Amino acid sequence: DIQMTQSPSSLSASVGDRVTITCRASQSISTYLNWYQQKPGKAPNLLIYAASRLQSGVPSRFSGSGSGTDFTLTISSLQPEDFATYYCQQSFSSPPEYTFGQGTKLEIK
Amino acid sequence: QITLKESGPTLVKPTQTLTLTCTFSGLSLSTTGEGVGWIRQPPGKALEWLALIYWDDDRRYSPSLRSRLTITKDTSKNQVVLTMTNMDPVDTATYYCAHRGYTSDWHYFFDYWGLGTRVTVSS
Repeated sequence: DIQMTQSPSSLSASVGDRVTITCRASQSISTYLNWYQQKPGKAPNLLIYAASRLQSGVPSRFSGSGSGTDFTLTISSLQPEDFATYYCQQSFSSPPEYTFGQGTKLEIK
Repeated sequence: QITLKESGPTLVKPTQTLTLTCTFSGLSLSTTGEGVGWIRQPPGKALEWLALIYWDDDRRYSPSLRSRLTITKDTSKNQVVLTMTNMDPVDTATYYCAHRGYTSDWHYFFDYWGLGTRVTVSS
């Protein structure tokens, strides 16, 4: 089974900051990596798929990069509505299994 | 626009079987490539993928829960049903159903989600 590990588990930042969250896979998953944002009491929302492709409607301050085992989600300039928990998810193998990372909680400093 | 909604009991007793229904619109599970899955989230914890069913009735399960899960579809009703046997208090969670989106170069993701249904396992 492929394991996904995110770092950090939590992060404090200020509005306007540039923030990077990392996700590491236990084996190479090419670019089969997605990122979701989840706010309290809400369902997750897809931000990035295929490691770097921005989902329709998602602000361009969100970006993703990486391939193989190491991936990053970057928010270029934090906005108040970005404080949430972020999850990575892999969709490698055929057929895919959709393992999530443990999440990164982004809090206001 | 795709919408999904979960329904089922809010409280089940230990050892009982949980049955959840996902009713969706805006997609047909008889269309090639389509899939609907289930994901859960215990209170304060991470998301966990459970199962997914494809348009061709292929079914995939989380390896850790495979023995307890069954996913089925009723294409005529636009519904997907998940059953989980031998429920335990650790299965207390919000259960989501979601549409599995895909690209032409075989990338897969969950792009539409239901609101979720909270299930508590307690005697």
